[in-house]
Amino acid sequence: AQSVTQLGSHVSVSEGALVLLRCNYSSSVPPYLFWYVQYPNQGLQLLLKYTSAATLVKGINGFEAEFKKSETSFHLTKPSAHMSDAAEYFCAVSSMDSSYKLIFGSGTRLLVRP
Amino acid sequence: KAGVTQTPRYLIKTRGQQVTLSCSPISGHRSVSWYQQTPGQGLQFLFEYFSETQRNKGNFPGRFSGRQFSNSRSEMNVSTLELGDSALYLCASSLASGPEYEQFFGPGTRLTVL
Repeated sequence: AQSVTQLGSHVSVSEGALVLLRCNYSSSVPPYLFWYVQYPNQGLQLLLKYTSAATLVKGINGFEAEFKKSETSFHLTKPSAHMSDAAEYFCAVSSMDSSYKLIFGSGTRLLVRP
Repeated sequence: KAGVTQTPRYLIKTRGQQVTLSCSPISGHRSVSWYQQTPGQGLQFLFEYFSETQRNKGNFPGRFSGRQFSNSRSEMNVSTLELGDSALYLCASSLASGPEYEQFFGPGTRLTVL
């Protein structure tokens, strides 16, 4: 069965510091991988997705993620955090294994300190 | 282009009642998916509809049902409400069914069961 593990329910960084949110997945077949962001009282917004093309995926708002098959990871990074990045971030996986249903991780809340 | 709209935004019901939530997808989108978000269980897939047919279903009891109309609008119904059904219910639409199509999420309906 597919699953997604997000390490760290809360991550705190200073404004201008590197953002690193970790995501590991399990899938017996090639996966599609996604990162979503959720601001308070809003739905989810897609940041970026991996669909077996380039392993380094660039998304919106300066975020990027690298697919590492050997490590079954898809960590999200941003070189310099901005106050507006404070939100909850969800990693998700989809594949034929799950009939292409989105399986979400438990989420990581990013706090940005001034 | 208008985004995904969900009505109502907030709902309070008592145990044993039933509830119907509505979702209007982005114009031209034919696939609608529903998710339940709770602090304890996180984001869980409920079902997906495409061209008025249920394509996929998550692990929820039969009290949870849905349908899609010819204009792609979708409704989900929960009968015999339980306290544990209190959650944010998110609807997402996409052009078609499949992980290569981006899902656009609505703001959700927050259901409180007393």
